[in-house]
Amino acid sequence: AQTVTQSQPEMSVQEAETVTLSCTYDTSENNYYLFWYKQPPSRQMILVIRQEAYKQQNATENRFSVNFQKAAKSFSLKISDSQLGDTAMYFCAFMKHVGNRDDKIIFGKGTRLHILP
Amino acid sequence: KAGVTQTPRYLIKTRGQQVTLSCSPISGHRSVSWYQQTPGQGLQFLFEYFSETQRNKGNFPGRFSGRQFSNSRSEMNVSTLELGDSALYLCASSHLGTASTYEQYFGPGTRLTVT
Repeated sequence: AQTVTQSQPEMSVQEAETVTLSCTYDTSENNYYLFWYKQPPSRQMILVIRQEAYKQQNATENRFSVNFQKAAKSFSLKISDSQLGDTAMYFCAFMKHVGNRDDKIIFGKGTRLHILP
Repeated sequence: KAGVTQTPRYLIKTRGQQVTLSCSPISGHRSVSWYQQTPGQGLQFLFEYFSETQRNKGNFPGRFSGRQFSNSRSEMNVSTLELGDSALYLCASSHLGTASTYEQYFGPGTRLTVT
């Protein structure tokens, strides 16, 4: 069974600093997708970034980028020039290749990130 | 497009009662997934419906059930409520299609408190 582990339950960084959130996963699949979701306080969860396992190039979305190490089964999220609005719970998630019967998303337990003014 | 809506937003029930939560997906989305979020367990997958059929199911007891209607709206039901069922219940909708379009859009959640 697939598992997703986020080893940092909580982190705090100063505004404008760069922060990296860790995520490791376990799977025997070769084709899959990895996601980072953000859940701001009392607000809806939104997708931050997506990575397809068959792509070697790391995904980036503005200030958000990932370091995808397939062999190490590691998928960390880097937030550059952090802003107060980045304060949220961040979830790493794994999903088998779309089309598989059992392609539900599996979430890690989350990292609560505080951006300090 | 309107986002995913969930009703009610807050609910207080007593042990032994049952509860029904509702989720309206984004227009055109045919897949609806339900999750239970608690501080201790994080986000746990309950089930997913697509075209009125349950596609996937998580490891929850049979007290948790769901259904999807022809307009893709979904409901989940929890019978014989227990204190441990207190949680934020999230619904998410998505297209089922190519990988590049696969993304789950979450609703605001229903906060269920069981006393």
